Amino acid sequence: AQKITQTQPGMFVQEKEAVTLDCTYDTSDQSYGLFWYKQPSSGEMIFLIYQGSYDEQNATEGRYSLNFQKARKSANLVISASQLGDSAMYFCAMRATRGGNTGKLIFGQGTTLQVKP
Amino acid sequence: ETGVTQTPRHLVMGMTNKKSLKCEQHLGHNAMYWYKQSAKKPLELMFVYNFKEQTENNSVPSRFSPECPNSSHLFLHLHTLQPEDSALYLCASSQDPPATPGLRPNIQYFGAGTRLSVL
Repeated sequence: AQKITQTQPGMFVQEKEAVTLDCTYDTSDQSYGLFWYKQPSSGEMIFLIYQGSYDEQNATEGRYSLNFQKARKSANLVISASQLGDSAMYFCAMRATRGGNTGKLIFGQGTTLQVKP
Repeated sequence: ETGVTQTPRHLVMGMTNKKSLKCEQHLGHNAMYWYKQSAKKPLELMFVYNFKEQTENNSVPSRFSPECPNSSHLFLHLHTLQPEDSALYLCASSQDPPATPGLRPNIQYFGAGTRLSVL
């Protein structure tokens, strides 16, 4: 079965420091995609970064980078130079390919990040 | 602004009411999704529509009835709900498959959600 695990329910980070949010996944597919979303208290899910299973380099988007370790099945999100506006819930997700191209995303439980001034 | 608009943002309804949630996307996507987010649970996919055709129903109770009249609009009709249906309902859209081969596939863009309370 395909599954996403986020083991950190809550994290604190000091403003301007870097933080790593953990994500491990389980799939038997060779081709898959991994996503990170941010959900502020207002509710909307904001796409942050994507990593394809065949991408040779780790994805980066501004202050966000994805530490992709395929053999360990981990896709940790690294946020550099944390800002107060980064305080939110963060979700790791995987696109399931089993059963055809339905676009189904499987989400983890999420990690709440609080940035301290 | 993600290009996906959901209304209403908040909804309180009794168990005997009938109400509808609306989702509209301005991104030119062909696929639309309903997700349910309950407290302390991962997001759960409810329905998937691709080119107005339902391609997935994730064992959702019949008191939730989706409708997709075109690729830009998606509704979720609610009737005789239960208190445990109280949750944040999120709509998303994507281009599936990607319009240009080689582009990162299927980024789903979400609306701000409807926070539903069933009394």
